[in-house]
Amino acid sequence: SQKIEQNSEALNIQEGKTATLTCNYTNYSPAYLQWYRQDPGRGPVFLLLIRENEKEKRKERLKVTFDTTLKQSLFHITASQPADSATYLCALPQGGGTSYGKLTFGQGTILTVHP
Amino acid sequence: ETGVTQSPTHLIKTRGQQVTLRCSSQSGHNTVSWYQQALGQGPQFIFQYYREEENGRGNFPPRFSGLQFPNYSSELNVNALELDDSALYLCASSRTGGYNYGYTFGSGTRLTVV
Repeated sequence: SQKIEQNSEALNIQEGKTATLTCNYTNYSPAYLQWYRQDPGRGPVFLLLIRENEKEKRKERLKVTFDTTLKQSLFHITASQPADSATYLCALPQGGGTSYGKLTFGQGTILTVHP
Repeated sequence: ETGVTQSPTHLIKTRGQQVTLRCSSQSGHNTVSWYQQALGQGPQFIFQYYREEENGRGNFPPRFSGLQFPNYSSELNVNALELDDSALYLCASSRTGGYNYGYTFGSGTRLTVV
């Protein structure tokens, strides 16, 4: 069956450092992968999408890589700030392909950036 | 442009009761998906509605049902509530091909079953 795993439940880093979060998947051939941020008591907020034919995507301090051979995506936040503290979720379309709107999420990684 | 609005924000129900949760999708979005998020877990796909028809369903029993209205708003109904139904219920809207821009989630309805 399809499975998504995010590297750890919690990641603690010092302000100014780079946070690296991992998302591994099995039994998928996704057309894309998405990353979301979720704050306590709120719904997820879309951050970035990377397609299967893209190796890397950047947006401001965020960088995502996608290795379809390793079946892994890395999510980096450079020059991290306490305001980056949140839960970060990776998501893949259910059943592979594009499967509009039907996403399978990882369990999330809680990132805490200490001043 | 307005975002996704869900109501109510919190709800307490007794086991065996029925509940209806509501979602107003973002302007211009014609597809609504519902997710259940247990504490400490990622959201789990319940079902999706497109043009008022169910368009895919996750691993949830038939007592979870839904509706989409002509204005693209949606309802999630859960019958015969069980304690394990306690969770944050999220609605996400998108337009066709909207995966390129991500899905817009509401803030959710926190359901507690006692």
